[in-house]
Amino acid sequence: GQNIDQPTEMTATEGAIVQINCTYQTSGFNGLFWYQQHAGEAPTFLSYNVLDGLEEKGRFSSFLSRSKGYSYLLLKELQMKDSASYLCAVRGRTGGGNKLTFGTGTQLKVEL
Amino acid sequence: GAVVSQHPSRVICKSGTSVKIECRSLDFQATTMFWYRQFPKKSLMLMATSNEGSKATYEQGVEKDKFLINHASLTLSTLTVTSAHPEDSSFYICSAESGGTTQYFGPGTRLTVT
Repeated sequence: GQNIDQPTEMTATEGAIVQINCTYQTSGFNGLFWYQQHAGEAPTFLSYNVLDGLEEKGRFSSFLSRSKGYSYLLLKELQMKDSASYLCAVRGRTGGGNKLTFGTGTQLKVEL
Repeated sequence: GAVVSQHPSRVICKSGTSVKIECRSLDFQATTMFWYRQFPKKSLMLMATSNEGSKATYEQGVEKDKFLINHASLTLSTLTVTSAHPEDSSFYICSAESGGTTQYFGPGTRLTVT
């Protein structure tokens, strides 16, 4: 099976940097995704890591350590519109096929 | 690119009726589509995986006779909630991938069963 843990809530200040952590346990790891989801909307893709290291895309970066079962999403120069839920999802081969298992999401609140 | 649409966005139905939700990949061919269910302030729970032209694979605990999935073409999958009950009220989201690694999500369908 797969188990994914991430903090439930975080608060940060506009213009600051915030790091959202995700730890996972899985049988058959085949990639880790980060999605952003605003209330009542579908998730939008942010990043994908399958190898160890840092992937940078504009204000967003994502890091993966497969040996530690650990990832983080780094958001820089925070804006009010970044207030959303951030979902960590692991792609695994459990049960056949490459399915995504989602964490419960981290609700980020950006304040002035 | 990679746009997925869902229809309807919201639906209210009476208990005992059936509701069909459509999921379309607009600018790519989706070899695999996924159906998720999300309760308020909870994460996405995978219900089933569907491949074009074959039967859907349901997750443990999901009733295949209640949640009928048809993936008739590379751009369309449908989820039919049969004999809906109030406990089926939820946010249903589909996603699609084209043989690559990333799933792209539709905007979701809010189902309310009265």
